[in-house]
Amino acid sequence: DGGITQSPKYLFRKEGQNVTLSCEQNLNHDAMYWYRQDPGQGLRLIYYSQIVNDFQKGDIAEGYSVSREKKESFPLTVTSAQKNPTAFYLCASSRGNPIAYGYTFGSGTRLTVV
Amino acid sequence: AQSVAQPEDQVNVAEGNPLTVKCTYSVSGNPYLFWYVQYPNRGLQFLLKYITGDNLVKGSYGFEAEFNKSQTSFHLKKPSALVSDSALYFCAVRDPQDGGSQGNLIFGKGTKLSVKP
Repeated sequence: DGGITQSPKYLFRKEGQNVTLSCEQNLNHDAMYWYRQDPGQGLRLIYYSQIVNDFQKGDIAEGYSVSREKKESFPLTVTSAQKNPTAFYLCASSRGNPIAYGYTFGSGTRLTVV
Repeated sequence: AQSVAQPEDQVNVAEGNPLTVKCTYSVSGNPYLFWYVQYPNRGLQFLLKYITGDNLVKGSYGFEAEFNKSQTSFHLKKPSALVSDSALYFCAVRDPQDGGSQGNLIFGKGTKLSVKP
């Protein structure tokens, strides 16, 4: 079955460490997205990529980095510069065109700073 | 600029009663509208969408939504709520004419639906 796989499901990070969240899709979707979810704040867009080797900053990109070397993969690195990284992170993908299509979401990664 | 609002943080309904989760939007052109549901510690699942055509859209799990252009609303409804419908619901909009957003979905902040037995 096609879908999006996020790993790990739970991740613990020490202060000052970088961590990378994995997102892989086998839907042949062109566009991929990373969102951060905090209680009461809905979904906030971190980064998105509409084609391979290209990505754009979202609303809250500071302290995060991404790469898009393959169509199937869009890993997110939470760097030590991100001061409050504890959150639920969601990856999504979408057909780039036509944009009448919605998003398919992964199951999320819960990151906790310890 | 496009935006979407979900005016209620929480909606409480008794099982068997009808439910409505409200959503209003603001776009420059004709919107593409979506509803998603999220269960605890899970990703969002697609419920339904409005692109064009009939203003009443039917989706998964018995949900439906009505597109009202004059009121710029897209409220989610279900005739008879189930306890298992308790979850977080997100409305989202896409403006195909908004080049600045590059066609990205804009999400509301979510409404928590609680259905009591």
